[in-house]
Amino acid sequence: DGGITQSPKYLFRKEGQNVTLSCEQNLNHDAMYWYRQDPGQGLRLIYYSQIVNDFQKGDIAEGYSVSREKKESFPLTVTSAQKNPTAFYLCASSGLADARNEQFFGPGTRLTVL
Amino acid sequence: AQKITQTQPGMFVQEKEAVTLDCTYDTSDQSYGLFWYKQPSSGEMIFLIYQGSYDEQNATEGRYSLNFQKARKSANLVISASQLGDSAMYFCAMRGYSNSGYALNFGKGTSLLVTP
Repeated sequence: DGGITQSPKYLFRKEGQNVTLSCEQNLNHDAMYWYRQDPGQGLRLIYYSQIVNDFQKGDIAEGYSVSREKKESFPLTVTSAQKNPTAFYLCASSGLADARNEQFFGPGTRLTVL
Repeated sequence: AQKITQTQPGMFVQEKEAVTLDCTYDTSDQSYGLFWYKQPSSGEMIFLIYQGSYDEQNATEGRYSLNFQKARKSANLVISASQLGDSAMYFCAMRGYSNSGYALNFGKGTSLLVTP
C-alpha cells in the first residue's frame, strides 16, 4: 500500500544528543514536509522540500536540520541546539500540481528529552 | 502572512446530532485552499475535506460539509449525524501559493467529544 512511514514511533533522547527521525514515502510525491506539534497546539512547519537536493526553512527551523538525497526520503535531525525538542513530529508529503493537492501524513514520532 | 483561527478549544455534541466547528482565516493571497483534518488520540492526521477559494459550491464529503463564506473569511466544518468515533481533535488549515511551497498553516484545533 502507498503511504508514509515514520520511525521510530517513540524516541527518548538525553540532553546534548543529536537524534534523527526517519520519514519515507512511496507515493511518488515531489514535496515533503516536517511539522512539530506541541500539546494543545496546531502543527508548525519546520522544513520543507519540493525537489531532491533542495529544502527550505519553515517557521521554526532553528535547532533542526534535514536532507533530501532521494525523492522518497526526508530525514529530520534534531540537534542539541534545539532548546525544547520534546514534541510530536509529523512528516507529510504532497504533489505539486496545484494547491488542491492534499497532504498525506505519517503516523508521527513522539520525541522525549530526558 | 496567513493566519488560521479556531476559537472553540472544546465542543460537546450528542450522538446523531450535527455540530459546527468554526474556522476563520486571514490571507492576502487571491488563490488559496482550505483543509480540515481530524486527529484521533493515536496522533495520525486524517484528511477530511478541501475547499478552493474559487470554488463556487461548498465542499461536501459524506457526513462532512464545509460552510465557506469567502467575504467573511470563514470555513466552518459541519459534521452531520455525529458518531462516537468522531471524537477527536479537528484542525483547520490553509495553503496559499505564496506560502512555503504548498505547506499548510494550521489553527490550534478544536477538541470534539461525542457523547452517547
